[in-house]
Amino acid sequence: GGIITQTPKFLIGQEGQKLTLKCQQNFNHDTMYWYRQDSGKGLRLIYYSITENDLQKGDLSEGYDASREKKSSFSLTVTSAQKNEMAVFLCASSTDRGREQYFGPGTRLTVL
Amino acid sequence: GQQVQQSPTSLVLQEGENAELQCNFSTSLNSMQWFYQRPGGSLISVFYNPSGTKQSGRLTSTTVIKERRSSLHISSSQITDSGTYLCAMEPSSGSWQLIFGSGTQLTVMP
Repeated sequence: GGIITQTPKFLIGQEGQKLTLKCQQNFNHDTMYWYRQDSGKGLRLIYYSITENDLQKGDLSEGYDASREKKSSFSLTVTSAQKNEMAVFLCASSTDRGREQYFGPGTRLTVL
Repeated sequence: GQQVQQSPTSLVLQEGENAELQCNFSTSLNSMQWFYQRPGGSLISVFYNPSGTKQSGRLTSTTVIKERRSSLHISSSQITDSGTYLCAMEPSSGSWQLIFGSGTQLTVMP
């Protein structure tokens, strides 16, 4: 088995601030994902990475940067926080395309 | 258009009743998962089921690829089954992502 860790659990920032969310997995999975879950809505993909140093944009990538410097970690940066992107950010990993995805506990973002 | 249609949106049951949740997909799929989520909680994978039928305890998932649909059956529901159930599929073409349904909010009453 393995685990996905996300830090911080709660993130509070000011409007316009640059904020970074971190994700670590010890499954030794190649592929990692960042999703955003808005209240009452399903999840939408922000970025994914199929291997170390690879980045692929999802449907919701505008306003975000990502970094995959190690196989086990995947960071997401909110480049300029806005009130309308208060949501829960979920990190996931899988061995490959079409395989089961495992999710972390999430980071809840609040923008003041 | 919406690629994943999940129904019903909400469901209220008496303890002991059965539940049937449905997902329909508008495109062909590589994989399919069912997740469970409590309010404020993380996503827990209930089934990874790209095709066929899988059972785990009181839960059964059936995915029929040709008909582009998947179902989750909960038998003899319990109060602790309450929460949101989400289906998600990875399309066979395009980006490597799960596309999620909007969820079914299940409430089991005593």
